[in-house]
Amino acid sequence: QSALTQPASVSGSPGQSITISCTGTSSDVGGYNFVSWFQQHPDKAPKLMIYEVTKRPSGVSNRFSGSKSGNTASLTISGLQAEDEADYYCTSYTSSSSWVFGGGTKVTVL
Amino acid sequence: QVQLVQSGAEVKKPGASVKVSCKAAGYIFTGYYIHWVRQAPGQGLEWMGWMNPNNGGTNYAQKFQGRVTMTRDTSINTAYMELSRLRSDDTAVYYCATRSIATSGFDSWGQGTLVTVSS
Repeated sequence: QSALTQPASVSGSPGQSITISCTGTSSDVGGYNFVSWFQQHPDKAPKLMIYEVTKRPSGVSNRFSGSKSGNTASLTISGLQAEDEADYYCTSYTSSSSWVFGGGTKVTVL
Repeated sequence: QVQLVQSGAEVKKPGASVKVSCKAAGYIFTGYYIHWVRQAPGQGLEWMGWMNPNNGGTNYAQKFQGRVTMTRDTSINTAYMELSRLRSDDTAVYYCATRSIATSGFDSWGQGTLVTVSS
C-alpha cells in the first residue's frame, strides 16, 4: 500500500485560508468516506482534527474543515492563526481493511 | 475519558526484539480496535497494523508482516506490539491509538514509546 500524496509544505499569512490536499486511489481515499486528518506539533502525539472526511471532533475549531472529490481529500484551515503552525497528516481506510497515511504537510504561518 | 499509557523507552541491538505495551483505561477495552503507528525521527506517520481486543484478530501492514505481532491481555486491559529482527531504521517513536465512542477516527493516542536500535 503506497502512502497517500500530500504537499511537503503549505504556508499562509495570519487570517488567510489554506488548503492541504491528500491524493490516493480508488482503493483508499476514493473508495471510502473514512478519511481523517491529524495535527501534530513537535514532540507531541497526533491530534484528530477531522474524521469521516468532513466531521469535526468535539473541541476542534470550526476553522478546520474537510472535503473530498474523487481520489483527493482536502483539509482547509480558514482564519489561519499562529497556533495552527504544525505538521498535518491525512489517513484513509483501504480495501485491504488497513489504513494508510499521507507523507505529511508542514504548515507555516508567515 | 479514554486514556492509553505506554511503556517506557527501549534501547535494543540490531537483530533483537522489542515489546511495547499500551494500557487502556476509561472505556471498554474490548470495544474498539487498537492501532499501532510509528514515526521515525524527522519522518511521517506510518501505520503498522490493528488488533481487535475482543478476539485477538489482527491485520498487519504488508511491510511488517512476518516481523510484527500484536497481542492483548484482556485481564489487565493491555495491548502489546512486538517487533522482531530489529534494524537501525526501526528507530522510531511507536504509538498505540484507538477511537472513542464519540468518533470513528483515532482520537485517543498513547504518549509514544521511543525505541532506539543501535549497536
